[in-house]
Amino acid sequence: TQLLEQSPQFLSIQEGENLTVYCNSSSVFSSLQWYRQEPGEGPVLLVTVVTGGEVKKLKRLTFQFGDARKDSSLHITAAQPGDTGLYLCAGELIKAAGNKLTFGGGTRVLVKP
Amino acid sequence: NAGVTQTPKFRILKIGQSMTLQCTQDMNHNYMYWYRQDPGMGLKLIYYSVGAGITDKGEVPNGYNVSRSTTEDFPLRLELAAPSQTSVYFCASNKQAGYYGYTFGSGTRLTVV
Repeated sequence: TQLLEQSPQFLSIQEGENLTVYCNSSSVFSSLQWYRQEPGEGPVLLVTVVTGGEVKKLKRLTFQFGDARKDSSLHITAAQPGDTGLYLCAGELIKAAGNKLTFGGGTRVLVKP
Repeated sequence: NAGVTQTPKFRILKIGQSMTLQCTQDMNHNYMYWYRQDPGMGLKLIYYSVGAGITDKGEVPNGYNVSRSTTEDFPLRLELAAPSQTSVYFCASNKQAGYYGYTFGSGTRLTVV
């Protein structure tokens, strides 16, 4: 059982549709980050959320941190083929030594033209 | 800016062989990490370092060793390669607190046969 559970594991949609990816845990995090990873590359940071209830927007991407800081969601509006990739959530547990991040299992998103 | 550089990009090892995965960063980050990513999975922490001369185990350290003699370099050593170590290995660095996201290298794909 992973500390951070992502759902769904795979999502295939048509260009222009909306999608939501969820990241859930029973643990409380001091911060939570979302990354996107493309084949053959390392993950690239999209956003960091630190306050319970926080909502951040990055163009067509909306990120929300749960009030209790145990869960988060990523919503993409009007998805484009360029949004295709592996989306990873990662949380820093409160008082984690060395700012270690715990990663979810990832959600693979395919946006078809 | 080079960021985080990993070498080699690909390697095939025979069971029982040894190798060192190199990682260097030019951002003067104190925190560095080694993760492994198995197919279709998220990232699992192997070892991390909060500064030169300081290293600590992560979630899956067995079969690996690290050293941190300088701020820039954080090599990962596999002493007796096993098929279970077939994976993609990512090195990452972090400025300080968790609010600053990790910067990842592009990975080393290792196959043990």
